[in-house]
Amino acid sequence: NAGVTQTPKFRVLKTGQSMTLLCAQDMNHEYMYWYRQDPGMGLRLIHYSVGEGTTAKGEVPDGYNVSRLKKQNFLLGLESAAPSQTSVYFCASSYSGGAETQYFGPGTRLLVL
Amino acid sequence: QKEVEQDPGPLSVPEGAIVSLNCTYSNSAFQYFMWYRQYSRKGPELLMYTYSSGNKEDGRFTAQVDKSSKYISLFIRDSQPSDSATYLCAMSSTSGSARQLTFGSGTQLTVLP
Repeated sequence: NAGVTQTPKFRVLKTGQSMTLLCAQDMNHEYMYWYRQDPGMGLRLIHYSVGEGTTAKGEVPDGYNVSRLKKQNFLLGLESAAPSQTSVYFCASSYSGGAETQYFGPGTRLLVL
Repeated sequence: QKEVEQDPGPLSVPEGAIVSLNCTYSNSAFQYFMWYRQYSRKGPELLMYTYSSGNKEDGRFTAQVDKSSKYISLFIRDSQPSDSATYLCAMSSTSGSARQLTFGSGTQLTVLP
């Protein structure tokens, strides 16, 4: 039982490049979330999903897209990376919409030059 | 003004001390209150969760909520070096299809042996 895993752990991009961050969970959770964590800002919600095939915008969705084609996977895409997207990205999942039971992955560190 | 304010610290205490961590909030709709612990270069993990005013105790940890003052606290008794981490408060309301968490910026705690 791996919980929530994220791929890759670290990535360096040049401005304008694209990439996809992968989140996988093996807990059969319905809800999945993508956050970014910046110094002094705490965790901010980018997008979330309440089930397979659904996605919704969070607090800071601009510049990101997501897809939930399979229940266990939640992908975060950056179409044209910008230095402002340098951050640590965390994926989380929960069984229900009860946000108190969110389980977080180990994070992906992204540096955009 | 941020919806959730948390003193970033850093806070350094000797082993065995009582630690008090605090957050204030401005949104009266917040009904659920959580404390997450985040070790360096790891994802946050849920430590305490409560939805009512008053105290909730779990081992060495006590979560306190005062909704009238919009103030929450986490107390750690007999602090240990293993408690050294960043502590994040988080809150959510009951609205929406998924309870979106609003996080504080985190307080970095170091417990010295």
